[in-house]
Amino acid sequence: DAGVIQSPRHEVTEMGQEVTLRCKPISGHDYLFWYRQTMMRGLELLIYFNNNVPIDDSGMPEDRFSAKMPNASFSTLKIQPSEPRDSAVYFCASRPPFGQGGADTQYFGPGTRLTVL
Amino acid sequence: AQSVAQPEDQVNVAEGNPLTVKCTYSVSGNPYLFWYVQYPNRGLQFLLKYITGDNLVKGSYGFEAEFNKSQTSFHLKKPSALVSDSALYFCAVRDSGNTPLVFGKGTRLSVIA
Repeated sequence: DAGVIQSPRHEVTEMGQEVTLRCKPISGHDYLFWYRQTMMRGLELLIYFNNNVPIDDSGMPEDRFSAKMPNASFSTLKIQPSEPRDSAVYFCASRPPFGQGGADTQYFGPGTRLTVL
Repeated sequence: AQSVAQPEDQVNVAEGNPLTVKCTYSVSGNPYLFWYVQYPNRGLQFLLKYITGDNLVKGSYGFEAEFNKSQTSFHLKKPSALVSDSALYFCAVRDSGNTPLVFGKGTRLSVIA
């Protein structure tokens, strides 16, 4: 399996622009998580989905952030408009269904490093 | 609410010496405990987990961790450190429900030759 796939790996944009980050979870996984990593705040959970439905978005920092999961193999995290304080590494992770082997474990993608100038 | 504390931002150890990276947790009910490692410019890689059973859990790359319920700890250990073990280590916890992992702030391990 290719693992969790994220694109782009690096994104540099200017303040005010729209940014879209993409994630393809591991096939068969029914949980998908978006995290943000910064030096100051560490690893923060932004939102997670189960069977394509958002379960908890309480970690989404502001209305400028939105996430969708239109199908089981694709999710997006959008920031509009972007601000310099959004600069961070954004990780996507997925997890198998309960009862399946390795169901306890979250598997992470390589991350997208976002820089907002 | 679940929480994890990693009391050390940085741990330095000489190559060949044993290493310990500390983690304490708080969770209602039975804990599911994990260690992940992050190398520079990479995602988090799963190292090991404790769900139930033996308190000593063995994982990848010679790492192990000991679950101590009375002290609510899950320290990561390795008998002999390698320079290549230098990385950022995260402890994480969740309860036995279908909740996401909650991560500690991470401990940077530096193994010096």
